[in-house]
Amino acid sequence: AQSVTQLDSQVPVFEEAPVELRCNYSSSVSVYLFWYVQYPNQGLQLLLKYLSGSTLVESINGFEAEFNKSQTSFHLRKPSVHISDTAEYFCAVSPMNTGFQKLVFGTGTRLLVSP
Amino acid sequence: DVKVTQSSRYLVKRTGEKVFLECVQDMDHENMFWYRQDPGLGLRLIYFSYDVKMKEKGDIPEGYSVSREKKERFSLILESASTNQTSMYLCASSLGTGGNIQYFGAGTRLSVL
Repeated sequence: AQSVTQLDSQVPVFEEAPVELRCNYSSSVSVYLFWYVQYPNQGLQLLLKYLSGSTLVESINGFEAEFNKSQTSFHLRKPSVHISDTAEYFCAVSPMNTGFQKLVFGTGTRLLVSP
Repeated sequence: DVKVTQSSRYLVKRTGEKVFLECVQDMDHENMFWYRQDPGLGLRLIYFSYDVKMKEKGDIPEGYSVSREKKERFSLILESASTNQTSMYLCASSLGTGGNIQYFGAGTRLSVL
């Protein structure tokens, strides 16, 4: 079985400051890793994912995440946040060895960007 | 663009009522999912389906059932709604296995009074 821990339920930050949202996971098998974002009153949408290869993955809007296998982490970072980044961010994993897809989500981190 | 449509954004029902939540996707995805989202608990999987007429229990199936008669439509059924089923319900769909993206609907906020 898999589990995902997002220790920070809320992260307040000022506009243009850097931010890191932490994600740790536990799994007995190899996993794919995802970050999803939920803007107010919307469903979730994919921000970025790690499947294989380079451990650093980037999104089109300036976020990046690094897969660290030894620390079983997949932290999300952005060097300079905007007001529009205010949203809830969910880390998720999916086991590689199953014949179907099943995502396990963390409890989410609410990013609050203020001017 | 992939579109996952949930029939209602807001729904208010009474305890004991039978409730149907409908979800339709337009991208011929074989996988469909129902989650509930609660503050501090994240998303929890209720049921999923990887083919027409197939269904698998997720992590919290108690009190729910599902139906998938057509590939594009996945229904969540609350046989006898209870107040502890007040929540946000999210539907998603995807192709294939593990590494593929799940596409989500906007959600249905259900209140059971």
